[in-house]
Amino acid sequence: QLQLQESGPGLVKPSETLSLTCTVSGGSFSSSSYYWGWIRQPPGKGLEWIGNIYNRGSTYYNPSLKSRVTISVDTSKNQFSLNLSSLTAADTAVYYCARQYGSMTPFDYWGQGTLVPVSS
Amino acid sequence: DIQMTQSPSTLSASVGDRVTISCRASESISSWVAWFQQKPGKAPKLLIYKASSLETGVPSRFSGSGSGAEFTLTISSLQPDDFATYYCQQYNSFPWTFGQGTKVEIK
Repeated sequence: QLQLQESGPGLVKPSETLSLTCTVSGGSFSSSSYYWGWIRQPPGKGLEWIGNIYNRGSTYYNPSLKSRVTISVDTSKNQFSLNLSSLTAADTAVYYCARQYGSMTPFDYWGQGTLVPVSS
Repeated sequence: DIQMTQSPSTLSASVGDRVTISCRASESISSWVAWFQQKPGKAPKLLIYKASSLETGVPSRFSGSGSGAEFTLTISSLQPDDFATYYCQQYNSFPWTFGQGTKVEIK
């Protein structure tokens, strides 16, 4: 059973950079059919797609965040990461990592999510 | 960006009721729609993909229909475990976008 687990700081300050890691277990991380992504959800609000990363490192980002977002993969550690810079209180959210299996498919496996408050 | 508009925002229903949630896209997205269920404090769970395909392990009381820009999620007989918030999502083109959610409450 594939499992995804987010990890990162419990609190970040405004203007700082958020770094989150998603560790994948129970499956073949480097499979050419597996793609990875990040989604966030502000408290009490809906879901917002952040971005995806595909084979050979190609990435797609939400234009609303594109100038501040970087998603990368470390195959040797079965991990992929999210960096989000220039944080404000509006970035306070639960951040989820997720898997996409094959092209033209939605996220089918999700991590449990990690709450990241942005506050001084 | 493709806007996804769900209706209603909140729905009150009883166990055993047939429930229908609608999702409208701002442009045609073929059948590239997924439906998710989310319970408080939990990650979303994939129910339906490609508009009408049931994800493995999801009860058959859930079904999806539609194509183009109009989509529907139907729960044929609402069960106690189904009280949750439901989201539609388009993956036809980037940026992927979600509907605002429909909360299904106990009547």
